[in-house]
Amino acid sequence: KAGVTQTPRYLIKTRGQQVTLSCSPISGHRSVSWYQQTPGQGLQFLFEYFSETQRNKGNFPGRFSGRQFSNSRSEMNVSTLELGDSALYLCASSLADGRNEKLFFGSGTQLSVL
Amino acid sequence: KQEVTQIPAALSVPEGENLVLNCSFTDSAIYNLQWFRQDPGKGLTSLLLIQSSQREQTSGRLNASLDKSSGRSTLYIAASQPGDSATYLCAVGFSGGYQKVTFGTGTKLQVIP
Repeated sequence: KAGVTQTPRYLIKTRGQQVTLSCSPISGHRSVSWYQQTPGQGLQFLFEYFSETQRNKGNFPGRFSGRQFSNSRSEMNVSTLELGDSALYLCASSLADGRNEKLFFGSGTQLSVL
Repeated sequence: KQEVTQIPAALSVPEGENLVLNCSFTDSAIYNLQWFRQDPGKGLTSLLLIQSSQREQTSGRLNASLDKSSGRSTLYIAASQPGDSATYLCAVGFSGGYQKVTFGTGTKLQVIP
């Protein structure tokens, strides 16, 4: 069974640009959640999607958005990039057919904003 | 706001030693707690998941316990090996939102051969 796939693996952008990251969950998993990891702030929850609906959202500005498609694949978009957006962006998937499900993470997308 | 703390931030032990990593959380209304390991530049690998109704989970040389009333979880690693060197993170899923988790700051473990 294939794991969680995130593309691209690395991205370099300049301030003011926008970026779209992609996450393909494990087959059969309906929930996809996104996290930002930085050395200073650690891992922070961005948002979670289930059946194409955003169920939860963390404390990030509106520049961070996402969506989920009918095949459970998810994309995350960051507009008007700032230097502070440089981070490892991780997505995780789970079955989410109950309240207690393991999260399976992808390898992440390393975003550098210059 | 749920806060999750991990102590120590870094730990260095000789190979073969048994060790305990700690995770503390402020809100006892949790529905699960997961332990992960992360290797440099990589994603997270799930080690153990403890549901709120459980007290502990075991997998091989790993044992995780949960005490909701005191807001604590421990990860016990028996007979440590150099391959155990990684950052260990606990993540608390709290009541009030599916799959909305708060991560601890992590413990960086180095096992010296």
